[in-house]
Amino acid sequence: DAGVTQSPTHLIKTRGQQVTLRCSPKSGHDTVSWYQQALGQGPQFIFQYYEEEERQRGNFPDRFSGHQFPNYSSELNVNALLLGDSALYLCASSLRQGSTDTQYFGPGTRLTVL
Amino acid sequence: AQSVTQPDIHITVSEGASLELRCNYSYGATPYLFWYVQSPGQGLQLLLKYFSGDTLVQGIKGFEAEFKRSQSSFNLRKPSVHWSDAAEYFCAVTGNDMRFGAGTRLTVKP
Repeated sequence: DAGVTQSPTHLIKTRGQQVTLRCSPKSGHDTVSWYQQALGQGPQFIFQYYEEEERQRGNFPDRFSGHQFPNYSSELNVNALLLGDSALYLCASSLRQGSTDTQYFGPGTRLTVL
Repeated sequence: AQSVTQPDIHITVSEGASLELRCNYSYGATPYLFWYVQSPGQGLQLLLKYFSGDTLVQGIKGFEAEFKRSQSSFNLRKPSVHWSDAAEYFCAVTGNDMRFGAGTRLTVKP
């Protein structure tokens, strides 16, 4: 049973560029959430997707956007990258909409913005 | 909105000693509480969770946690720590979304 997978593992970008991160949920899960984890901090909720729509959103600017596909996989897009966007981006999947359901995390994508 | 406080940034214990990591939460309704562990450069692994029922919950790797509503706490415990337990530990609470504490880094001395 495959767990949550994310790609790429590492990514280096320069300020002003755009980036797309990808996530495949655990088998049988239909909800995907994205988190940003800055160095030395806990994960911060970005948004959650269910039935191909953004259902909940944390306190992140519109530069952060996402998408969920019919197979439940998801993308996180960040435009106009800033140095402060450097972080580990974590994807988590769960069985159905609602943050009360147990979330299982992928290994993350390490984004470095130069 | 809900929030989580982990008062201890860094804890060092000797291998074989007992461990308790503190977690305090703020949430108006009955919370759903979680403990996750993160090894360096890795994602988060679920240790245990509390939704309702018995306030003492058992998790993987010999960990347990006790929910105390009167103290708004959900402390993580392990009776005997192994060197492989060295990692970052995060407490989390869900309401409208999942909120994490800042984490406690555990160092295990030989």
